[in-house]
Amino acid sequence: DAGITQSPRHKVTETGTPVTLRCHQTENHRYMYWYRQDPGHGLRLIHYSYGVKDTDKGEVSDGYSVSRSKTEDFLLTLESATSSQTSVYFCAISGGWAEAFFGQGTRLTVV
Amino acid sequence: QQQVKQSPQSLIVQKGGISIINCAYENTAFDYFPWYQQFPGKGPALLIAIRPDVSEKKEGRFTISFNKSAKQFSLHIMDSQPGDSATYFCAATNSGGSNYKLTFGKGTLLTVNP
Repeated sequence: DAGITQSPRHKVTETGTPVTLRCHQTENHRYMYWYRQDPGHGLRLIHYSYGVKDTDKGEVSDGYSVSRSKTEDFLLTLESATSSQTSVYFCAISGGWAEAFFGQGTRLTVV
Repeated sequence: QQQVKQSPQSLIVQKGGISIINCAYENTAFDYFPWYQQFPGKGPALLIAIRPDVSEKKEGRFTISFNKSAKQFSLHIMDSQPGDSATYFCAATNSGGSNYKLTFGKGTLLTVNP
């Protein structure tokens, strides 16, 4: 399995609080991604990174920010969590030529 | 704008039958079309992929058929087994683009009855 670790794996948080999810890779891949998965919507790209300090928005980026200060770490921050951000979040990595590898996911519940 | 449309949303097949999932894309710059398989509680994992220079790719019981002129591709699972029960996602990307990212279909929940 590709070396991807997401933390935490589960989190319950209150509306209005900030939340940070972490993705750590040991593959030295250039590209890192954050997706959210919701029933009926499949996998939707939130933000992605194509290098250290190089990030761009995906299709559902509102309410989310990211940072990548090191090749191995990609952080996703919900600045003020809302109930609509209750979801399963997946980190993925890629070398940029073919396969993307996914982490195990983080189940986030905003109450 | 949904760039990759996947159907059906769910599929029930008897053991030994053929499962067929279809996808259509809009962006003619796409040149890499993978299929991902996801089991409950797990992240998606690459199952099989195709590039548009071939019309078909087979790996074991799994086959991708690709129709470039129609901008469609499909996954066929022959001799479907209960262990194949999972959610399947098609995806597409422009692998030569400056920012490599996959666009996914909405997924198909496959149930194979014993």
